[in-house]
Amino acid sequence: EVQLVESGGGLVQPGGSLTLSCAASGFTFSTSSMNWVRQAPGKGLEWVSYISSSSGAIYYADSVKGRFTVSRDNAKNSLYLQMISLRAEDTAVYYCATSLRSSDYWGQGTLVTVSS
Amino acid sequence: DIVMTQTPLSSPVTLGQPASISCRSSQSLVHSDANTYLSWLQQRPGQPPRLLIYKISNRFSGVPDRFSGSGAGTDFTLKISRVEAEDVGVYYCMQAKQFPITFGQGTRLEIK
Repeated sequence: EVQLVESGGGLVQPGGSLTLSCAASGFTFSTSSMNWVRQAPGKGLEWVSYISSSSGAIYYADSVKGRFTVSRDNAKNSLYLQMISLRAEDTAVYYCATSLRSSDYWGQGTLVTVSS
Repeated sequence: DIVMTQTPLSSPVTLGQPASISCRSSQSLVHSDANTYLSWLQQRPGQPPRLLIYKISNRFSGVPDRFSGSGAGTDFTLKISRVEAEDVGVYYCMQAKQFPITFGQGTRLEIK
């Protein structure tokens, strides 16, 4: 069974930092590209970042470029999202998802709240 | 960026009746590899998104056959042949032809 389990969310002050993790199982993580997608409270879905299977290709949404860094550890079947200089508008549930181009899976999400 | 526009934004449907959601992209979603990367997602209340359809018309594993996708180029449709109570939620179309990956605004399906 494919599982994607996000962790690391929580309450952080504006300007603060947080690192999210996504633990993958049930599929060959090392050959799968991965994405982070977020959803602000009561809003729609917003793609955040993409990383290829080898980390050779990485893309970010303009709204997070320069502040977020995506990475992965194929030996640990894990995906990460390092977030710095957080703003109130970054408040959202963050989902990890597989390639988004074919038969894809989504995690349950982890909530990040940026507030003083 | 490719803009995805869904209609309607809200769809009240009677149980057992069909429902249809349209999605239009601001440019063709045909990739240079000849695939069209248009997917449909379902998000039930309080749940994460779930893939229903990928590459226009391919049903994901476990998705009931009352869900079907069609279309080409820039115009796509998700159809539910007979709506059931468990289909309540928000439906999104999504393009993954190019970055940034973009989503439609979402269509809320509710029971009359």
